Amino acid sequence: GDSVTQMEGPVTLSEEAFLTINCTYTATGYPSLFWYVQYPGEGLQLLLKATKADDKGSNKGFEATYRKETTSFHLEKGSVQVSDSAVYFCALTPYNNNDMRFGAGTRLTVKP
Amino acid sequence: GAVVSQHPSRVICKSGTSVKIECRSLDFQATTMFWYRQFPKQSLMLMATSNEGSKATYEQGVEKDKFLINHASLTLSTLTVTSAHPEDSSFYICSAGGQGDLSYEQYFGPGTRLTVT
Repeated sequence: GDSVTQMEGPVTLSEEAFLTINCTYTATGYPSLFWYVQYPGEGLQLLLKATKADDKGSNKGFEATYRKETTSFHLEKGSVQVSDSAVYFCALTPYNNNDMRFGAGTRLTVKP
Repeated sequence: GAVVSQHPSRVICKSGTSVKIECRSLDFQATTMFWYRQFPKQSLMLMATSNEGSKATYEQGVEKDKFLINHASLTLSTLTVTSAHPEDSSFYICSAGGQGDLSYEQYFGPGTRLTVT
């Protein structure tokens, strides 16, 4: 079935470093792709999404491009801040339904 | 738009008692709602999918008699953990399915932390 694989964490970076969190997917058809962020003790917040190939989702300096040829949706940010410390989940919903599949999550810690 | 609330945000109950968690879609009608469970430092595990007015569909390994789900209206779904035990302590998250052009999406509540003593 459809699934998502994201890079294992934890990831520790210094402030202003470049961030990449890899996410690849397996799906039949054309899924929708998402990145969610979860801060300690809180629920999931949608960070960005893309619904078709070559779409770029962006928000708060984060971006990810839906790459069908490599079945990837890697999350990037040019300059991370301490406040970006959180767990990031890549997810997909298969074509034509909202049955969401999550990656394992990647814990990011940004140090001053 | 697309706001989902959960109540309570935290609950502590004694072993053997039951606890109800509410999930509400505040500004839209949700035909489908989802319940997830999240263990510490792990991803979300789908427990069940509920459609308004019908019985919930439970994932394999989830006890339907222990985790009672009711979706009586288009804006409210409830999860009742019956005869709770310490191993039921967890973070429970609900979501509501989008409609129309946003039918591919889910909108998540803030979660409920259940502690069973």
